[in-house]
Amino acid sequence: RKEVEQDPGPFNVPEGATVAFNCTYSNSASQSFFWYRQDCRKEPKLLMSVYSSGNEDGRFTAQLNRASQYISLLIRDSKLSDSATYLCVVNVGNTDKLIFGTGTRLQVFP
Amino acid sequence: GAGVSQSPRYKVAKRGQDVALRCDPISGHVSLFWYQQALGQGPEFLTYFQNEAQLDKSGLPSDRFFAERPEGSVSTLKIQRTQQEDSAVYLCASSSLSSGGRWRDTQYFGPGTRLTVL
Repeated sequence: RKEVEQDPGPFNVPEGATVAFNCTYSNSASQSFFWYRQDCRKEPKLLMSVYSSGNEDGRFTAQLNRASQYISLLIRDSKLSDSATYLCVVNVGNTDKLIFGTGTRLQVFP
Repeated sequence: GAGVSQSPRYKVAKRGQDVALRCDPISGHVSLFWYQQALGQGPEFLTYFQNEAQLDKSGLPSDRFFAERPEGSVSTLKIQRTQQEDSAVYLCASSSLSSGGRWRDTQYFGPGTRLTVL
């Protein structure tokens, strides 16, 4: 079983739609949580950190449920430019390494 | 300012050849990471440096993989006797803070080196 699991998709949604991605992690010692975005043939870039209280950045909302070991990302009013792979990422305990899920691919169509 | 740079961007090697991949982190960044990303997968951790010290190499898949950062800035990942299963994108990332705090500083990734072993 992978440490971080995501539905690989693809999710095909029309512009303006709301889409949600989920992710589960297996290590209860995980301390930090992130969503990264990766465009085709590009490097991953931090989209947002995820806090226990939940956090919002414009059209993006991230939630963390430590009891269920579950992380989510909600994208409202999808834009064509949101098309990318979204990587769920955790950092465990006192290590510095990031553990990535396989990513969920999103395709927004006109 | 300049981000993380990596060279070469693309490398084709014949099976059995040695390769060396270079990473130039963001100036002043203490921490440097190497990840391997196979097609259709997320990046997987290989190794981590804090300045010149290699603090974690638990992700290196075999003793054919070796990384160094002798002066605490530029790093080289070397793969000896390359095999077809080594074909992947090798990503380097750097961050400004070392371990110790509850929240880690953002890791900034370079564009990667796409290695193809024939």
